[in-house]
This record gives sequence, C-alpha cells and structure tokens, in this order.
Amino acid sequence: QQPVQSPQAVILREGEDAVINCSSSKALYSVHWYRQKHGEAPVFLMILLKGGEQKGHDKISASFNEKKQQSSLYLTASQLSYSGTYFCGTEPPGNQFYFGTGTSLTVIP
Amino acid sequence: DTAVSQTPKYLVTQMGNDKSIKCEQNLGHDTMYWYKQDSKKFLKIMFSYNNKELIINETVPNRFSPKSPDKAHLNLHINSLELGDSAVYFCASSLQSGVETQYFGPGTRLLVL
Repeated sequence: QQPVQSPQAVILREGEDAVINCSSSKALYSVHWYRQKHGEAPVFLMILLKGGEQKGHDKISASFNEKKQQSSLYLTASQLSYSGTYFCGTEPPGNQFYFGTGTSLTVIP
Repeated sequence: DTAVSQTPKYLVTQMGNDKSIKCEQNLGHDTMYWYKQDSKKFLKIMFSYNNKELIINETVPNRFSPKSPDKAHLNLHINSLELGDSAVYFCASSLQSGVETQYFGPGTRLLVL
C-alpha cells in the first residue's frame, strides 16, 4: 500500500530543477509532502487535498492528479538547503497513513 | 517549547531486554503516531492513536505495544528486543488523522546488540 516514488535518488547542481513523482496503487484523497534532512526528523512541506490542486511556496511546488493517483513535487532553481530525503504520504479512507518510498536529493555547488 | 518530544534520544541495549520510549506533545492534537525508520530510510507506520482508537499496522510484531495514559502522551513499549529492532523510532502528532500536518519528534535511535 506504500506509494512508490521516483527517482530513488537524484543529484543536482545548484540552480538546477528537479521533479519527484509519487504514485499509488490505491486512490489518493490527499497527498502530503515532507522533507527529512540527514539526522533530523521529517518536516512538513505541504498538503494537497483535491485532484488538480497545485500548491507552492518559495521555489517548491506540487501538483496532484487524482485520476492518475499521482502527485509530483517540483523544485526550481535548487539551493544547497534543499538536500535531503523527500517523502510523499497519504491516508486512504479506512486505512493508516503511509509514507512513500522516499527520494534522496543532493544539491552540490 | 518543544512541540513533540521523545525520550530517550539514544538507546543502546542487549537482545532480549524490554525497553520503553516516551513521547509527549503539547500541541493539543488528537492523533499520535509511531513510525519506524530503518537503515534504508523507509518510514513505516507502526501505530496511530486517535481519540482512544488504536490502529495497529498488522505487520508490527506484538512485542511492540503503545500505551497512552492521556491525549498528550503515547509511549512505546518493546518486549524481548531483537537485532532487527535497531532503527530510529519517530513519534508524531496531528490535529486529526489524514488531512492534517504531522509534527514529528526528534527521534529515538535504538541499537540492539
């Protein structure tokens, strides 16, 4: 039931863009995105509640395609501080919350 | 003030021992969670507790048991520790389950020797 994320890992140079995808075999009713820096706890980025919804702050945004049971996280003009592992997450009705498989993002100078 | 706190931060113990990890949140949230993060970084839900309703991930061995003395606390008891229990355990809380932000504690790094 765990959502699958792609890519598993990505290395970027500062200023480059990246897209992280999250796909579920079950219907998605909401999608959460979290970032976890090395040795720290996951920190909330955003929640998308409706199909077609797009959200963003700074240069990180996300979209939610309910029909395709997918969400994507977009990181624009990446900064060193963006490095970490990104997780999507969802709670299907009647089920527990599940995090995705994670995507390790490394930004290098 | 720390929103979600866990103790201890590090826990080193021998196989077969019983240990507990404490979690407290001062956010007034109704839902609390325990997650296990293994060496591959997978974050696996173990338990969620919402208004006295406990939802258990069926893959969690019954050596693990959550105890909630009140809404602000959800402690994790582990009996007969095994090598495979070594991981980082995170507690989290949210206003309600599903569509609310989860706030995580700093994690407890458990090493079973």
